[in-house]
Amino acid sequence: SQKIEQNSEALNIQEGKTATLTCNYTNYSPAYLQWYRQDPGRGPVFLLLIRENEKEKRKERLKVTFDTTLKQSLFHITASQPADSATYLCALGSQTGANNLFFGTGTRLTVIP
Amino acid sequence: GAVVSQHPSWVICKSGTSVKIECRSLDFQATTMFWYRQFPKQSLMLMATSNEGSKATYEQGVEKDKFLINHASLTLSTLTVTSAHPEDSSFYICSAMVAEHSNQPQHFGDGTRLSIL
Repeated sequence: SQKIEQNSEALNIQEGKTATLTCNYTNYSPAYLQWYRQDPGRGPVFLLLIRENEKEKRKERLKVTFDTTLKQSLFHITASQPADSATYLCALGSQTGANNLFFGTGTRLTVIP
Repeated sequence: GAVVSQHPSWVICKSGTSVKIECRSLDFQATTMFWYRQFPKQSLMLMATSNEGSKATYEQGVEKDKFLINHASLTLSTLTVTSAHPEDSSFYICSAMVAEHSNQPQHFGDGTRLSIL
């Protein structure tokens, strides 16, 4: 079965720096990959989607890369702010056309003022 | 837009009770809704996919007789945990998709914290 690993359970960075989160997967070839933000006690909120034929996607201070050879996605937050503190989840989409998503365990990001 | 409302936000009940959780898409029609379970510090685990007007598709290891799903309209899906026991205590989250095509984002409710005493 597919395995999804997010590089670390927790990541602390200084305000203003760039946060880089990693999502690695095995035994799977997703057609697309999504990143979500989840705050404590809340449901995830969609941030970005990147397809298998795309290398990079940007949205404001967010950037996602997708390397299907390395089976890895990187999620960057530039000029990080304390309000960016949350858990970030990567999710793999199906190749079969089904809408199921398979989620990683998440990385809890803390931006220190 | 694309707001999903989940109710109740938390439930505490005795062992053996059945609990119903509602998931509503407020400003869009959702042909497909998903139900997840999340244990502390763990990822979201898909329990079942719910399609309006048809039977839900359950993931391997999820008991369909214990977790009853009904998707009677394009804006409402319900999950009923029947005869709940302490091991069913978890955070249950629903999501909905605006369109049927794949690679669309899912819009999540804020979850239901279920505690079985």
